Amino acid sequence: NAGVTQTPKFRVLKTGQSMTLLCAQDMNHEYMYWYRQDPGMGLRLIHYSVGEGTTAKGEVPDGYNVSRLKKQNFLLGLESAAPSQTSVYFCASRRQRNTEAFFGQGTRLTVV
Amino acid sequence: GNSVTQMEGPVTLSEEAFLTINCTYTATGYPSLFWYVQYPGEGLQLLLKATKADDKGSNKGFEATYRKETTSFHLEKGSVQVSDSAVYFCALRMDSNYQLIWGAGTKLIIKP
Repeated sequence: NAGVTQTPKFRVLKTGQSMTLLCAQDMNHEYMYWYRQDPGMGLRLIHYSVGEGTTAKGEVPDGYNVSRLKKQNFLLGLESAAPSQTSVYFCASRRQRNTEAFFGQGTRLTVV
Repeated sequence: GNSVTQMEGPVTLSEEAFLTINCTYTATGYPSLFWYVQYPGEGLQLLLKATKADDKGSNKGFEATYRKETTSFHLEKGSVQVSDSAVYFCALRMDSNYQLIWGAGTKLIIKP
C-alpha cells in the first residue's frame, strides 16, 4: 500500500546545478501538488496539477518547473538551483479537489 | 487574504498531561478546517477535520471544535503519550478554490 512516494529523500546540490524530484502515486488520483516547507512557515504551494497533462502555478512557482505526462507521476524540476531553494519538499495527491490529501514523506534538499 | 496562525513550538509536556495547541484563522468566507500530523520521518497525515461552525472533529483521542465566533480551531487531547510526539499543522480550505492554507506547524515533544 505505497500511497505517495517521493524520490529522492535527501539531496545536496551545488548552486547552478539542476535536478528533478519525482512524485508517484498509486491511488489513481487526479490532483497532485508540490509544496515546500520552510522553518517557521506553513507549507507553500509551488505548482499543482488537476489531471494528466495539466499544470498550474501555485503561490511560489518561480525557479521551478513541473510536468504531469502520466497520471501517476508529477515531476518537479529545478533548472538552476539557488541556496534559497534549500527546503523540504512535499508532494501530495487527492482524488478530487474536496477530498483528503495524501502526502509523501518529503525530500530534504540542500543547495550549497 | 486567508491565513492560519498557530502557537509557536516546541511544546514540551510530560506523558499523561493535557494538551492544547492553539490555531486561529482569518478567512473571507466559511472555510473547512483541518489538523494534520507529521510523525518523524513521515509525510503529513490528516488527523481530523471540521467543515462548518460548531462541528467537532475527533480522532485518536484528539479533538478540535470549529469556533466561528473566535475564528479558532484549537487542538486538544486529555492525556498525551510519547507516541504523540510529532509536528501538528492547522490548515484551512476555502470552497472557492479548494486550496489548503497552512499554519507554520507546532512541534510537540512528550517526555516519559
